Amino acid sequence: EAGVAQSPRYKIIEKRQSVAFWCNPISGHATLYWYQQILGQGPKLLIQFQNNGVVDDSQLPKDRFSAERLKGVDSTLKIQPAKLEDSAVYLCASSVGHSGFVEPQHFGDGTRLSIL
Amino acid sequence: KQEVTQIPAALSVPEGENLVLNCSFTDSAIYNLQWFRQDPGKGLTSLLLIQSSQREQTSGRLNASLDKSSGRSTLYIAASQPGDSATYLCAVGGDTGGFKTIFGAGTRLFVKA
Repeated sequence: EAGVAQSPRYKIIEKRQSVAFWCNPISGHATLYWYQQILGQGPKLLIQFQNNGVVDDSQLPKDRFSAERLKGVDSTLKIQPAKLEDSAVYLCASSVGHSGFVEPQHFGDGTRLSIL
Repeated sequence: KQEVTQIPAALSVPEGENLVLNCSFTDSAIYNLQWFRQDPGKGLTSLLLIQSSQREQTSGRLNASLDKSSGRSTLYIAASQPGDSATYLCAVGGDTGGFKTIFGAGTRLFVKA
């Protein structure tokens, strides 16, 4: 079974520029998550999708961050404009999400973003 | 507001030792608790998931327990090996619509050969 795929692995941009990350979840997984992990901290949930609908985006800075999952499969996370404090690893995860119980989440290797 | 704390922040043990990692949470109204492992530069690997109605889960040398009423979970690693060196994170799933997942900061484990 192929895992969660993320690209790019690394990205360096200057502040005020825009950036986009891509995630392809495990085939058949209905639930997709985007997390932000700042160095030395645990991941923080930014947004959770169930198929192509948003379940939770309460911690997403909506003035600069946006995410979509148009066909209920792949997802993109965008930052525009980027700030220095956005430097972090952005992790995508997916889970089966059909039964109503929260199944184990499967993570990609993340995108490491550095803001200069 | 749910807060998740992991103690200790870092731990160094000799190979073969049994060890316990601790996780505490402030709001007992959780849906589940997961333990993850994270290797440097990698994503997270799910180790064990405990539903709120369960008391413990076991997988190989790993055993995780959950005491909802006291807001605590422990991850027990038996006969530690150098390959166990990694950061271990616990995460709680909220008991409200959306099942928000909140992580602790992790325990960085180093097992010396």
